[in-house]
Amino acid sequence: AQTVTQSQPEMSVQEAETVTLSCTYDTSENNYYLFWYKQPPSRQMILVIRQEAYKQQNATENRFSVNFQKAAKSFSLKISDSQLGDTAMYFCAFMKHLQTGTASKLTFGTGTRLQVTL
Amino acid sequence: KAGVTQTPRYLIKTRGQQVTLSCSPISGHRSVSWYQQTPGQGLQFLFEYFSETQRNKGNFPGRFSGRQFSNSRSEMNVSTLELGDSALYLCASSLYRYNEQFFGPGTRLTVL
Repeated sequence: AQTVTQSQPEMSVQEAETVTLSCTYDTSENNYYLFWYKQPPSRQMILVIRQEAYKQQNATENRFSVNFQKAAKSFSLKISDSQLGDTAMYFCAFMKHLQTGTASKLTFGTGTRLQVTL
Repeated sequence: KAGVTQTPRYLIKTRGQQVTLSCSPISGHRSVSWYQQTPGQGLQFLFEYFSETQRNKGNFPGRFSGRQFSNSRSEMNVSTLELGDSALYLCASSLYRYNEQFFGPGTRLTVL
């Protein structure tokens, strides 16, 4: 079974600064997907970024980027120029590739609560 | 495009009752997954439906069931409610089974 570990329960960053959220995972699969989701206090889960394991290039979405280290099974999220609206719970998630027959099931970490302050 | 919608947003039930939650996916999305979110257990996968068939099931008792209709809308049902079923139930849709999932706002179920 896959496991996802987020070792930072809470983090704080000042507005305009950069913060990195950590995520490690355990799997024996070679093909899979990794995601970061944010869940603001409003509770709506929002997709932040997606990474396919077969791609060596790290995914980037505006101020959000990842550092994907496949051998180390590490998938960290970097938020640049932090904004107050980035305050949320951030979840790292793993999904097997469809070829293994169990795609579509997301396995989530326990989350990191990020507070952006003035 | 409208996002994933879930109804109702809030529900209060008593032990032993049953409840049905509804999810309408993003137009054109064919896969619908359900998750339970609680402070103690975090986010846990319940089941996934694609083309009206359950494709994946999480480790939940048989009291939890679901279905998907031909228009991809999905419902989940919980029978004989227990206090521990109090949770936020999230529905997510994706274009196909291996695409990123987009979540609805959730249904907050409270069991008294």
